[in-house]
Amino acid sequence: KQEVTQIPAALSVPEGENLVLNCSFTDSAIYNLQWFRQDPGKGLTSLLLIQSSQREQTSGRLNASLDKSSGRSTLYIAASQPGDSATYLCAVPSGGYQKVTFGTGTKLQVIP
Amino acid sequence: GAGVSQTPSNKVTEKGKYVELRCDPISGHTALYWYRQSLGQGPEFLIYFQGTGAADDSGLPNDRFFAVRPEGSVSTLKIQRTERGDSAVYLCASSPLAGINNEQFFGPGTRLTVL
Repeated sequence: KQEVTQIPAALSVPEGENLVLNCSFTDSAIYNLQWFRQDPGKGLTSLLLIQSSQREQTSGRLNASLDKSSGRSTLYIAASQPGDSATYLCAVPSGGYQKVTFGTGTKLQVIP
Repeated sequence: GAGVSQTPSNKVTEKGKYVELRCDPISGHTALYWYRQSLGQGPEFLIYFQGTGAADDSGLPNDRFFAVRPEGSVSTLKIQRTERGDSAVYLCASSPLAGINNEQFFGPGTRLTVL
C-alpha cells in the first residue's frame, strides 16, 4: 500500500526566503507525481506534474524534483511571497495510475 | 468556463438522512474522481470513473456510499443513512486522459455536515 509523508507539517518563513517542501513515498513504482496547492476552504490547484521519466519540472518560482529510486520529491519555492501562504500537497498514483494517494500536506505561512 | 464545479457548496443534514452531491467535470474530460477530505488530512480516494463506468470503487468506505455517471459527464455521489462520521469535504476532480499523464483538476468541494 502506497504511503505518502510530507515534512514539515507546518512552516513559517519571512517574505523573500527560498524554501523547500519535502514529500516521500513508500512504493517507488510510480508513473508520476503531482504537487497541489490548497487555500483554506477551497479545492486543490495543480501546480506541477512530473512524469516518472523526468527529474524535475519548473513553473515560474516553483521547481519540483523527483527521485524515484529514493522515493522522494521536493518542491522548491524561490523568493517566497505572502500570497504563497497555503497548504501544499503531493500526490502519487497507487495501484495503477488513476488511483491517487495524497500526503497530509505542509501548511506554509509567509510573513510579510 | 470552465473548471470543475460542485453543488451544493455546503450541505447540512441530520443523521440518517440521504444526500446527493453533484459534480460537473471539465467538458471533454473522460476521467472523473471523487475524494473525501477530513480536517487536517489530505484527500482520500473514493471512486474513479472512466466514461460511464466505475473503473475503481475500492475507496468507498461501505455500501451506504454510491456514485453514478450515467452519461459520462456529470456525476452524483449518493450517501444513504448518513452518519456524523461522514462529515467532511467531498472533492471531485477530472482529467482529460485515462493514461499516464493524468493531471487532475479539482472542484471547490462540497462541505457536508451531519448533525
